[in-house]
Amino acid sequence: GEDVEQSLFLSVREGDSSVINCTYTDSSSTYLYWYKQEPGAGLQLLTYIFSNMDMKQDQRLTVLLNKKDKHLSLRIADTQTGDSAIYFCAEEGNNRKLIWGLGTSLAVNP
Amino acid sequence: DAGVIQSPRHEVTEMGQEVTLRCKPISGHNSLFWYRQTMMRGLELLIYFNNNVPIDDSGMPEDRFSAKMPNASFSTLKIQPSEPRDSAVYFCASSLAGIGYTFGSGTRLTVV
Repeated sequence: GEDVEQSLFLSVREGDSSVINCTYTDSSSTYLYWYKQEPGAGLQLLTYIFSNMDMKQDQRLTVLLNKKDKHLSLRIADTQTGDSAIYFCAEEGNNRKLIWGLGTSLAVNP
Repeated sequence: DAGVIQSPRHEVTEMGQEVTLRCKPISGHNSLFWYRQTMMRGLELLIYFNNNVPIDDSGMPEDRFSAKMPNASFSTLKIQPSEPRDSAVYFCASSLAGIGYTFGSGTRLTVV
């Protein structure tokens, strides 16, 4: 069945790069997404990648997609304390339903 | 645009009471989703509507849960009777054919 997996926790030092990884199962997914959730807030679309791309860069964010291995990653350069949040990976399945990972909690230490 | 608006932000109710959560999607969006988020199960899709019509309600836990979308600008999720295990954050999201969803800020429900 459809499944999205991500590690639950990541801790980095301020200024370092963070890499959050995700694996998915549906090879027919058109889009793959990264959402950010800050405490007490809803999920915010951070970035996305179309399935025929292998990389997308947006300021401090770099998304890498390895379609063969069904692996998606999000790299945050120069991680700041304001980046502390839960990051969700999601793939778009049938009928535009998103299949979600459980989220990776990123802690940024000063 | 004010984004997706949910009310109330917090709800505390006693077991057995009826709870109604409300959502106003972004104007022009034609899909609406209700999610439940808990620590144990993460994000669960409960139901989604396309053009006000329920498309998939397979995620609705049981008959105590019902959702309606009487028009393009309003949806409700009702729990009757509520139980302590329904305690969670309930999110509404909307989208237009295109990229991703826009989420509301959620309703934190506590059933005691």
